[in-house]
Amino acid sequence: GAVVSQHPSRVICKSGTSVKIECRSLDFQATTMFWYRQFPKQSLMLMATSNEGSKATYEQGVEKDKFLINHASLTLSTLTVTSAHPEDSSFYICSAIAGSTDTQYFGPGTRLTVL
Amino acid sequence: LAKTTQPISMDSYEGQEVNITCSHNNIATNDYITWYQQFPSQGPRFIIQGYKTKVTNEVASLFIPADRKSSTLSLPRVSLSDTAVYYCLVGDMSRFYFGSGTKLNVKP
Repeated sequence: GAVVSQHPSRVICKSGTSVKIECRSLDFQATTMFWYRQFPKQSLMLMATSNEGSKATYEQGVEKDKFLINHASLTLSTLTVTSAHPEDSSFYICSAIAGSTDTQYFGPGTRLTVL
Repeated sequence: LAKTTQPISMDSYEGQEVNITCSHNNIATNDYITWYQQFPSQGPRFIIQGYKTKVTNEVASLFIPADRKSSTLSLPRVSLSDTAVYYCLVGDMSRFYFGSGTKLNVKP
């Protein structure tokens, strides 16, 4: 149980384009999901908290107009990187909360490369 | 917010027991302690979670002292495939701290 998927697993795009990443909880409902980014050999950096039916909460320093988050259902949250630039290239990971102890279960990650 | 501190790296040999400790001096009453394993280019995988005392599952044990200011992940008889980064996470849904991780290198 508690399986989280992400799509796509890998994406390459040109500078200036937008990219959408999907995060799904496959066997449970998640009112709260989180989005992280991870640079090589570093820990996960929380970007935002995605709440079903309401606006996302962004961490300090994360541009909400650049990283659009939509949590339209209890099993799906999307992260759209708008007008992507090479510095946005990173590993993006989502997680979803399950159970009474607020356990985070993580997706497999999405490797974004902006050329 | 309960900041966590872990050793940056550890070395071990196949078949040994490995103990990784995480310090979280400012842990709050409602905070749970969760450990994850991460391989390169993969999302973290849940290993074990606890609140106090000892928790054991099929892959690991988690020891939490009475004051809860630290926790120790114990991996019995590690193999080469256990080479990964291990993170402890302390907190709850509304606020939590993801540590820097411990790179475990298992040697043959």
